[in-house]
Amino acid sequence: AQSVSQHNHHVILSEAASLELGCNYSYGGTVNLFWYVQYPGQHLQLLLKYFSGDPLVKGIKGFEAEFIKSKFSFNLRKPSVQWSDTAEYFCAVNDKGYQKVTFGTGTKLQVIP
Amino acid sequence: DAGVTQSPTHLIKTRGQQVTLRCSPKSGHDTVSWYQQALGQGPQFIFQYYEEEERQRGNFPDRFSGHQFPNYSSELNVNALLLGDSALYLCASSPVAGGPTETQYFGPGTRLLVL
Repeated sequence: AQSVSQHNHHVILSEAASLELGCNYSYGGTVNLFWYVQYPGQHLQLLLKYFSGDPLVKGIKGFEAEFIKSKFSFNLRKPSVQWSDTAEYFCAVNDKGYQKVTFGTGTKLQVIP
Repeated sequence: DAGVTQSPTHLIKTRGQQVTLRCSPKSGHDTVSWYQQALGQGPQFIFQYYEEEERQRGNFPDRFSGHQFPNYSSELNVNALLLGDSALYLCASSPVAGGPTETQYFGPGTRLLVL
């Protein structure tokens, strides 16, 4: 069965600091990978996704993630965070050909002005 | 363009009761997935509906059942409620057959409390 690990449960950064949130998955097959974000009081929304091609994926609001197959990782990065990036971030995976999406437990990011 | 809508927003039930939650997908979407999000956890996949049939199911007991209507809206039914069913129930829709690479659009959720 698939599982997704997000090791950082709560991250606090100052504005302009760089961000990297870890995500590892366990599944031996070919996968699609996602990062979702939930801003305070808002719905879950897609930040970026990878399903093939360039392993460095760019998403909305300056976020990017790199798929490293050998490490089963899909870490999320942003060079300079803003206060408006305060949110909960979820990594998710599904295997190609299947609809079921497995989410990690989420990382709460707090950006201090 | 209306996004995914869910009703009701909050619900309180007692153990043993049954509950029905409703979801209307985003305009143009024909695939609906349901998730359970317990406090402090990520969403867990319950099942997905496409063409009025359950296409895939997660690790949830038969007490959890669903339905999709011809207009693509969907219901989630939970029978014989347990305290552990207390959670936020999320509906997500995706466009045209909802393949594995499609983006899912989430609704605001229904918060269910079982006493």
